[in-house]
Amino acid sequence: EAQLVESGGGLVQTGGSLRLSCTVSGFTFSSHWMHWVRQAPGKGLVWVSRIHSDGSRTTYADSVKGRFTISRDNAKNTLFLEMNSLRAEDTAVYYCARDGLNFRAFDMWGQGTMVTVSS
Amino acid sequence: DIQMTQSPSSLSASVGDRVTITCRASQTIATYLNWYQHRPGIAPKLLIYAASTLQSGVPSRFSGSGSGTDFTLTISRLQPEDFASYYCQQTYSTPWTFGRGTKVEV
Repeated sequence: EAQLVESGGGLVQTGGSLRLSCTVSGFTFSSHWMHWVRQAPGKGLVWVSRIHSDGSRTTYADSVKGRFTISRDNAKNTLFLEMNSLRAEDTAVYYCARDGLNFRAFDMWGQGTMVTVSS
Repeated sequence: DIQMTQSPSSLSASVGDRVTITCRASQTIATYLNWYQHRPGIAPKLLIYAASTLQSGVPSRFSGSGSGTDFTLTISRLQPEDFASYYCQQTYSTPWTFGRGTKVEV
């Protein structure tokens, strides 16, 4: 069964860093663009970043550009999100999501990992 | 960035009701419009992609329509498991943007 499992969330101080991981199984990871999406408490879904299937291209939301770095290790079926200079407004559940092969939509999501940024 | 305006933000409904949610894009997005269902504590689920294509495994009571700037998600007969939040998303241009969501509650 295909699945995505996020890890690495937790409590971090303002200005700190955290690295999220998303380990996938059950499908050919290296064939798919992958994304990070977040949801702040009581708010809606917000797209954060994406990475090409071979890691050659990345895109970021303006709110995280220059602070977050998306990467992947196709040999280990793992997606990463390196988060630096964290702010209170980065507090959210972070989801990894798979981009469909034949259409632009997120056809599989993980359960999410909570990141809390506090002073 | 393309803004997605979703309405209503919440609605009250009963099992068996027909529910309609609308989504309007700030510029034309052709049919690059997806709908997701999100229940608390559960991974979001793709319902409809490309405005009107039902994702595999999704019940046929869900349907989508529209193109350009105006889109609709319809649930023909609401079931107990359909009480959730629903989001539209455009994938016409980055950043991919979501609507603010519609909470369907009893």
